[in-house]
Amino acid sequence: KNQVEQSPQSLIILEGKNCTLQCNYTVSPFSNLRWYKQDTGRGPVSLTIMTFSENTKSNGRYTATLDADTKQSSLHITASQLSDSASYICVVSGRGNAGKSTFGDGTTLTVKP
Amino acid sequence: GAVVSQHPSWVICKSGTSVKIECRSLDFQATTMFWYRQFPKQSLMLMATSNEGSKATYEQGVEKDKFLINHASLTLSTLTVTSAHPEDSSFYICSASQVLNTEAFFGQGTRLTVV
Repeated sequence: KNQVEQSPQSLIILEGKNCTLQCNYTVSPFSNLRWYKQDTGRGPVSLTIMTFSENTKSNGRYTATLDADTKQSSLHITASQLSDSASYICVVSGRGNAGKSTFGDGTTLTVKP
Repeated sequence: GAVVSQHPSWVICKSGTSVKIECRSLDFQATTMFWYRQFPKQSLMLMATSNEGSKATYEQGVEKDKFLINHASLTLSTLTVTSAHPEDSSFYICSASQVLNTEAFFGQGTRLTVV
């Protein structure tokens, strides 16, 4: 069964600090891995998308890494801001017509002043 | 990125009535649209996959007669919650992609409250 596990479940950091969120998956065959940011009461917004051949991708202060061999990804947030407080969701898609997207449960990040 | 517009953002309805939620891809043609339901502090739960011009594929446990999905064009899919009950109150989100399992763009969500 395809699974996506995110850790930690929740995280509290001080404004200006860095943090790293983890995503481990068992989806196979692998197509792509996406990180989304979801503010409370809003739809998810795409941060990064990585395919098998990509091992790092940046979007401003967000940097995602992918190790397809160990099936692990991380999302690193640099110089956190109060507006980074949100839920971060890792989504992994399988290859082929039968491939589906599997969602992680998300990491809730709270940035405090 | 591409824009997906979901309407309405919130709706309150009486038990027994039906509610229609629209999902539009504004600047691209979406061959596939997805409908999700999300309970507080939980992740998105896929309800159904909608392909233009064909019947939707529902996930196990989702009642197709209760949650009617119509994907009439490459830019519009609708979800109708029929005979709504308070337990249907939830946050409903759609997403759309040009090609299956590539970048998916999400709508802003619809908060449904059934009273």
